[in-house]
Amino acid sequence: NAGVMQNPRHLVRRRGQEARLRCSPVKGHSHVYWYRQLPEEGLKFMVYLQKENIIDESGMPKERFSAEFPKEGPSILRIQQVVRGDSAAYFCASSPGTGKLGSTDTQYFGPGTRLTVL
Amino acid sequence: DAKTTQPPSMDCAEGRAANLPCNHSTISGNEYVYWYRQIHSQGPQYIIHGLKNNETNEMASLIITEDRKSSTLILPHATLRDTAVYYCIVRGRNYGQNFVFGPGTRLSVLP
Repeated sequence: NAGVMQNPRHLVRRRGQEARLRCSPVKGHSHVYWYRQLPEEGLKFMVYLQKENIIDESGMPKERFSAEFPKEGPSILRIQQVVRGDSAAYFCASSPGTGKLGSTDTQYFGPGTRLTVL
Repeated sequence: DAKTTQPPSMDCAEGRAANLPCNHSTISGNEYVYWYRQIHSQGPQYIIHGLKNNETNEMASLIITEDRKSSTLILPHATLRDTAVYYCIVRGRNYGQNFVFGPGTRLSVLP
């Protein structure tokens, strides 16, 4: 993992509460991706953001989930009114998005936030 | 849906080479082959990627067949710490494309 930071690493919430997950990308990276991994399943794409813009949110549930990547500060994944089915590991990845010829914009993942909903 | 097919599990003796196969018969000309691994429940770790030429770095080698329909990831001297789930992913070169993870191959390195 090339420096992507996520916090908290573990988060416990009761049903109906809000969960906020933070992601600081690798320094200099301008693209952020969020993925979710349910227990015993593979990673599923949720959303792709650039600074101040949501580029692709095709994997986001239509309700209760939102994401942002402000000009300053970390990217935030927010889950409102959590339910037990939201319990999962949430991974953030970042990429440079430099546009350099020949570059393939490899994504580097953080350690994840493990959300448990009681 | 994932565009790749991998065996669900493999074993490898410690110190031996681990050869992990991947089929990607529908790969298109501008798509790269990426390999990541996930150790226990940690975040996926980038290993290597390639387009059509074989690639090597400090972690592994990637051998892509001439028709690009399959590839093999080689860990030359597997250690116990290489036990993980290995994901082979095909992805276009356009920026912002997300990775589509399949179930991967669970590699167990045995002492």
